[in-house]
Amino acid sequence: QQQVKQSPQSLIVQKGGISIINCAYENTAFDYFPWYQQFPGKGPALLIAIRPDVSEKKEGRFTISFNKSAKQFSLHIMDSQPGDSATYFCAASGMGETSGSRLTFGEGTQLTVNP
Amino acid sequence: NAGVTQTPKFQVLKTGQSMTLQCAQDMNHEYMSWYRQDPGMGLRLIHYSVGAGITDQGEVPNGYNVSRSTTEDFPLRLLSAAPSQTSVYFCASSYRIRQGSEQYFGPGTRLTVT
Repeated sequence: QQQVKQSPQSLIVQKGGISIINCAYENTAFDYFPWYQQFPGKGPALLIAIRPDVSEKKEGRFTISFNKSAKQFSLHIMDSQPGDSATYFCAASGMGETSGSRLTFGEGTQLTVNP
Repeated sequence: NAGVTQTPKFQVLKTGQSMTLQCAQDMNHEYMSWYRQDPGMGLRLIHYSVGAGITDQGEVPNGYNVSRSTTEDFPLRLLSAAPSQTSVYFCASSYRIRQGSEQYFGPGTRLTVT
C-alpha cells in the first residue's frame, strides 16, 4: 500500500508557466517531506524539503506548500524552464534514529517543459 | 569526493543466477540504503543500515541480502535472480539524524533478469 500518493503521473507545461505537483500522505508520524529531482540516467537528488512546523518554503523558483490538517503537500515550480524537465518524487520520513532516514517515496511525476 | 558510487552500471542475468551489486561512499555517512525503482511505483526501500554491522529490512526485502562490514561499503546480493527483480537499483547514504536528512544517491544499476 502506497503511503505517499503523488499526482499527476505526467505533466506538460509551456516555458514560463507554473508546474504544480501534489502529494498526500497517510502516516501522521511523518515529520520530514523532501522533494527529489531525477534526470534520465541519473540518481535522484534533493531539490527542497520542508518540516511540518511551517506551511511554506521557497528556494528560488521552487516552493513547497504544506497542509498538515489535510495531510497534503505540493511542489510549485514558477517560470518553468526546459531544463526543469525531469522526474520529480515527493517523499516522507518520520522521526527516530532509524526512521528519520527511511524515506517513503511517491510514484513520481514526469515533467516536460516545452520551449 | 566521489560521493556514492555503484558498480556495475548495467547487468543481465539469467533466472537463478546470483550476483552482488556494489555500493561505496566516501562521505563517512552512517546511514546507507538500497532502493529499487520501477515505473509508476517510485523508489521502494529494500534494506538499510544505520552503521557497520547493523542492517534491517525495508519495504521489499525478499530475495535480497545485505551486509555492512565497513562504514564505506554496502553490497546488495541477489542469491537466485528472478524476472521480478528486473529493475533499476539505487544505493543512497546520509548522515544519521533523528529528523530526516538529505539522502545522496548513486548513479544506479540497471538489472535485467531473463
